[in-house]
Order: sequence, then C-alpha cells, then structure tokens
Amino acid sequence: AQSVTQLDSHVSVSEGTPVLLRCNYSSSYSPSLFWYVQHPNKGLQLLLKYTSAATLVKGINGFEAEFKKSETSFHLTKPSAHMSDAAEYFCVVIRGGSQGNLIFGKGTKLSVKP
Amino acid sequence: EAQVTQNPRYLITVTGKKLTVTCSQNMNHEYMSWYRQDPGLGLRQIYYSMNVEVTDKGDVPEGYKVSRKEKRNFPLILESPSPNQTSLYFCASSPLSPTPERDGYTFGSGTRLTVV
Repeated sequence: AQSVTQLDSHVSVSEGTPVLLRCNYSSSYSPSLFWYVQHPNKGLQLLLKYTSAATLVKGINGFEAEFKKSETSFHLTKPSAHMSDAAEYFCVVIRGGSQGNLIFGKGTKLSVKP
Repeated sequence: EAQVTQNPRYLITVTGKKLTVTCSQNMNHEYMSWYRQDPGLGLRQIYYSMNVEVTDKGDVPEGYKVSRKEKRNFPLILESPSPNQTSLYFCASSPLSPTPERDGYTFGSGTRLTVV
C-alpha cells in the first residue's frame, strides 16, 4: 500500500536561509508524488509533481524536490526562504489501484523568522 | 477561470440538523473527491467519484453521503451532523484522461464546518 511520511511537523527557518521539508514514501511501484502548499485560511495549491520523468523536479516560487528511489524520499527544498513561504506543506502520493485517489502526509508547518 | 467552487465557506450548525455542502467545477473533470482536514492528521478522503452516477467510499465515509447526478456537481451531505464532524472540508477535481498524474488536482477554497 502507498503511504507518505512527513518527518517534521514543524520547521522554523530564518528569512534568506535554505528550506528543507522531508518526505519519505512507501510504494510497491514507481509512485506519482506531489507537494502541495496551504497558506493560512487558503485552499491547496500545487507546488510541483513527480511522474517518473526527471528525478529533480522544479516547482513554483523557487521550490524543487528530488526523487530518490534508493532512499524512498521526495524532500522539498528552496535555497532561500522568504516570509511569504510561511505555510503548511503536504507531501502527497497517488493511491495505487484506485485511479485518482490521493494520500496526504500529515503536513509540515513552515515558519519563517525575519 | 477554471476553478472548483465550494459553498458555504463557513457554517455553524447544531447536532442532528441535516446540511449540504456544495461543490461545483467548470473544467469538465470526470474525477471529484471530498476530503476533511484535521490538525495533525493531514487530509483524509471521505468519498470520491470517477464519473456521473459513480461514487465510492474513501477512508472516512461514516456519517457522510454524496451524489453525482451531474458531471460538474458533487455535493457532500451530512444527514445528522455530530460534533466530531467539525472540520475543514475540501472538494477536489481532476481529469482522468489525461491522467491526474499529468495535470494534478484542483482544490476548492474549503468549507469550515462547526457542529455544536
């Protein structure tokens, strides 16, 4: 069965420093993985997606993620945090055998200090 | 503008009073789904629909009903709401062809429901 585990429930960084949000996945086959962002009192916005093409995926707002099969990881990074990056981030996998259904991680709340 | 529209955005109701949260999409998507979001639990799927008149249970369907009479609409019905259904609800849609993996999912803005 597919699943994702976000390793940190809360990450705090200073503005201008790198961001690393960690996600491990479990899948019996090559998964489709996404990162979504939710700003306070807003809906969910797709940041980036991995669909077995390039292992390094670039998304919006300077974020990128690298798919590492050997480590079953799909960590989200950004070289330099901005105050507007403060939000909750979800790592998501598509459930196998049931086309279209998403499995969400529990979320990582990113705080950015001035 | 391509979007998923949920109504209402906020709702406070009393235990046992039937309510419906509407969801409508204007992208001609086959797939639609409802999720609830609770602190520390992420989003969990309630029900989903692959097309008109085709619905199926997600991970937490108890206490909810859905219908898909038209392609664009996917209402969520709480026949007898209870306080443990207080949550933030999201509707999502996606095309099935091309695959969701290619185009991703579009989410509504959410409905914050409080049952007292």
